[in-house]
Amino acid sequence: AQSVSQHNHHVILSEAASLELGCNYSYGGTVNLFWYVQYPGQHLQLLLKYFSGDPLVKGIKGFEAEFIKSKFSFNLRKPSVQWSDTAEYFCAVSPSYSSASKIIFGSGTRLSIRP
Amino acid sequence: EPEVTQTPSHQVTQMGQEVILRCVPISNHLYFYWYRQILGQKVEFLVSFYNNEISEKSEIFDDQFSVERPDGSNFTLKIRSTKLEDSAMYFCASSTRYGQAQRGEQYFGPGTRLTVT
Repeated sequence: AQSVSQHNHHVILSEAASLELGCNYSYGGTVNLFWYVQYPGQHLQLLLKYFSGDPLVKGIKGFEAEFIKSKFSFNLRKPSVQWSDTAEYFCAVSPSYSSASKIIFGSGTRLSIRP
Repeated sequence: EPEVTQTPSHQVTQMGQEVILRCVPISNHLYFYWYRQILGQKVEFLVSFYNNEISEKSEIFDDQFSVERPDGSNFTLKIRSTKLEDSAMYFCASSTRYGQAQRGEQYFGPGTRLTVT
């Protein structure tokens, strides 16, 4: 069965610290990979996505993620976080064989930034 | 930028009542989805819909649930007889055809918070 694991339930950082959120997935075939963010009181927004090509993908707001196929990982990084990055972050995968493929979400990582 | 919209933002209903959650997907999208997020838990897939029929559904999507695209713009989720455990945030999403630029990226609506009392 397909699944997504996010290693950290809650991460607390100070402003300007570097961020890395872990994500591993379980699926035997080719996948599309996503990171979504949910700011307090707002809806899910796409941060970045990987479909194919360069395994290092850059998203909005200075975030990037690296797909390491051998490790089934897609970790999210940001060199210097800001208070406004406080949010819940969801790693997600979708089998790439079908246009209507469901997205499978991880349990989320709550990121709290101390000003 | 086009957005997925959902109404109402919050619905309170009594156990056993029927509810209909409404979504307006992005206008040129062809694939439609419902997800739900119980408070404190992960976002879970419910159902996908394409060409006026269900493409895939999860175990959660039992006979109490149904979806419909009644008029070419709205996409609805009906829960026939609500239970306490149906209380959750329900998200609608839509996506374009695979192979185009967005390659199946799903755009999510703001959600409807359903509270069953």
